Amino acid sequence: GAGVSQTPSNKVTEKGKYVELRCDPISGHTALYWYRQSLGQGPEFLIYFQGTGAADDSGLPNDRFFAVRPEGSVSTLKIQRTERGDSAVYLCASSSGLAAEETQYFGPGTRLLVL
Amino acid sequence: KQEVTQIPAALSVPEGENLVLNCSFTDSAIYNLQWFRQDPGKGLTSLLLIQSSQREQTSGRLNASLDKSSGRSTLYIAASQPGDSATYLCAVRKTGNQFYFGTGTSLTVIP
Repeated sequence: GAGVSQTPSNKVTEKGKYVELRCDPISGHTALYWYRQSLGQGPEFLIYFQGTGAADDSGLPNDRFFAVRPEGSVSTLKIQRTERGDSAVYLCASSSGLAAEETQYFGPGTRLLVL
Repeated sequence: KQEVTQIPAALSVPEGENLVLNCSFTDSAIYNLQWFRQDPGKGLTSLLLIQSSQREQTSGRLNASLDKSSGRSTLYIAASQPGDSATYLCAVRKTGNQFYFGTGTSLTVIP
C-alpha cells in the first residue's frame, strides 16, 4: 500500500503565526512518531503515539508544540507562536506497533521556514 | 542522555570501492540499532536493524555489525555504486520508544 505521506511538503510562515503539519501513516500502523531535523543534524525525537494516545511526548521542546491523533490514524503537529528557531524539516514515521523490533517507515517530511 | 556520533561526516570514494561507516553511542543499554539512508529532500529508508542480542545483519551488499559493550556499530558497503550516494544515519533505541540519531555520514560515490 501507500507509504507515509506528509502535507504540506513546504510551509513558509511568519514569526508568531500558528502552523499545522499533517501526517498520514501507513494504513493499519498503530505507532506514529514525529521528529524534527535541523540542517546537518540527525532527526530529533519529538513525540510518539500508540493508537490515539501520546505515549511519550518528552521530546516536545516547549508548550508551543502540541500533537494530536484523534482517531488513531492521521496525526497533526501544531506549533503556536512560531519562532525562527522552529525552522526545520519535520518528519513523521509509523510502524506496526506489534513488536518492539519493528522498523519505522518515514514520510518525506515537511520543510518549515519561519521568517 | 544517549549521544550518537558518526564518523566520518563526509566520504567520497570511487565506484567499486568497499567502504566502512562508523557509529558510536555512549550508553550501551540499547534495545536495537538501525541504519538508515536519506536521499536529498526525502525521508529515511531503513537499511538494517540489529537487535541488542545480535552481532551483525546482512542485506545484499550491506553488512552492519554491533558491539554493544564498546558502543560501536559499523556499516560495510561492498562494491560501492553511484546509486549508493546518500546520507547514512544510525539510530539507537533504548527501552521505550525514544530513538537517538547520529548526525549522519554523507557518502558520494564517484563514477
